[in-house]
Amino acid sequence: SQQGEEDPQALSIQEGENATMNCSYKTSINNLQWYRQNSGRGLVHLILIRSNEREKHSGRLRVTLDTSKKSSSLLITASRAADTASYFCATRAGGGNKLTFGTGTQLKVEL
Amino acid sequence: DGGITQSPKYLFRKEGQNVTLSCEQNLNHDAMYWYRQDPGQGLRLIYYSQIVNDFQKGDIAEGYSVSREKKESFPLTVTSAQKNPTAFYLCASSARVAVGDETQYFGPGTRLLVL
Repeated sequence: SQQGEEDPQALSIQEGENATMNCSYKTSINNLQWYRQNSGRGLVHLILIRSNEREKHSGRLRVTLDTSKKSSSLLITASRAADTASYFCATRAGGGNKLTFGTGTQLKVEL
Repeated sequence: DGGITQSPKYLFRKEGQNVTLSCEQNLNHDAMYWYRQDPGQGLRLIYYSQIVNDFQKGDIAEGYSVSREKKESFPLTVTSAQKNPTAFYLCASSARVAVGDETQYFGPGTRLLVL
C-alpha cells in the first residue's frame, strides 16, 4: 500500500507564484524525500529531510517535516514554466534503503 | 538520468511471451530497484537487490523475476503470468545506507505495451 499521499493531486499556477504541495504518511520514518518527474521520464531527487529535522532549504525549494502530524510540505518559490512536472514524496522506514512513494502532485506552471 | 541506462525505451509484448527489461548502472552502487508506474499513479516496488547475488520481493512481485549476477546489472523479466503488464517501468540504484547517501538515482524508464 502507498505510504505517502500527496495533496493536491493537481495544481495550476502562474509563473512567479509559489507552489505548495503536501505529503502525509502513515508510519514512523527515518527520512522523507521529494522527487520530481518530467512527463515520460525518470525521477530526479530534489531534497531529503531526516526525521530529526524540521525544515530544510535548497535553492528555491523549502521542505518542512512535522513528525507529530506525519506530514511534510514542499514549497517552490518564484515558480517557472520549467518547474512543470509531477512531484512525489517518498519515505524510508526501518533498515535498508527501500522507499515507499506517494501518488504525486501534478504541477503546471503557466506563462 | 545520469549513470543508469534502461533499454529498450519501448517494448511490445505478445500474449504468453516473456520479455526482459535491461538496467545497467555505472555509479558503483550496491543497491538496485525495479518500480512499476501506472498512468497518474505513484511508483510501486517490484523487486530490489542490496548486494550482488541477492534480491528481495517488493510489494508487487507476482509475475516478475529478476537476477543480480553483476553489480552493475539488474534485469527484470516480465513473465506470461503477469496478466496486466502494460505500464512504465523504472529502474533505480543507490549507495549502501552505511555510506550516508540514501537517495535513489533513476533511469529513463521503459514503456511496456501489450499487443
